[in-house]
Amino acid sequence: DIQMTQSPSSLSASVGDRVTITCQASQDISNYLNWYQQKPGKAPKLLIYDASTLETGVPSRFSGSASGTDFTFIISSLQPEDIATYYCQQFDDRFTFGGGTKVEIK
Amino acid sequence: EVQLVESGGGLVKPGGSLRLSCAASGFTFRTYSMNWVRQAPGKGLEWVSSISVSSYIYYADSVKGRFTISRDNAKNSLYLQMNSLRAEDTAVYYCARDRRGVIGIMDVWGQGTTVTVSS
Repeated sequence: DIQMTQSPSSLSASVGDRVTITCQASQDISNYLNWYQQKPGKAPKLLIYDASTLETGVPSRFSGSASGTDFTFIISSLQPEDIATYYCQQFDDRFTFGGGTKVEIK
Repeated sequence: EVQLVESGGGLVKPGGSLRLSCAASGFTFRTYSMNWVRQAPGKGLEWVSSISVSSYIYYADSVKGRFTISRDNAKNSLYLQMNSLRAEDTAVYYCARDRRGVIGIMDVWGQGTTVTVSS
């Protein structure tokens, strides 16, 4: 089974800060990697698919990139409405989610 | 409006059974692969099961042999029959639609239904 190691598990940043979250796959998954945002008490929301493609309607401050088995998710300028938990998910071989990163405002 | 609405959750004793339903609307259900994803209290997301347009089915190892996914395209509905339930199956269960033509990009989610397994 493919494991997804996501870090950090939580972070605190100020409004306007650049936030970076990483996910490492246990084996090659090509670019079969998505990022989701989940706000408290709500369902997850797809933000980025295929490692770097922004879902329609998602603000451009969110971005994703890939390098081998390492994937990076960036919020270029953190906004108060970005407070949420973010998950990566691979879909190369069945599906596996990362452990999540809880983003808070400092 | 594209919408998924789950139902059927509740309190069940260990070893019991429950059937979850997911009603789809606002899109051509029969042309999309569908998924169940769960989230235990205070924990992360865990994929449970998927069913393709052609009814190809796959399960997470943690539920294989106990859960059965199915779909009724005439009723625009997705189901999850859960048998031999365990305490560790306690979670919010979400149904999620795959992006059309792609398996694994979950672009629409329901609000979830809560399953509690406890004596």
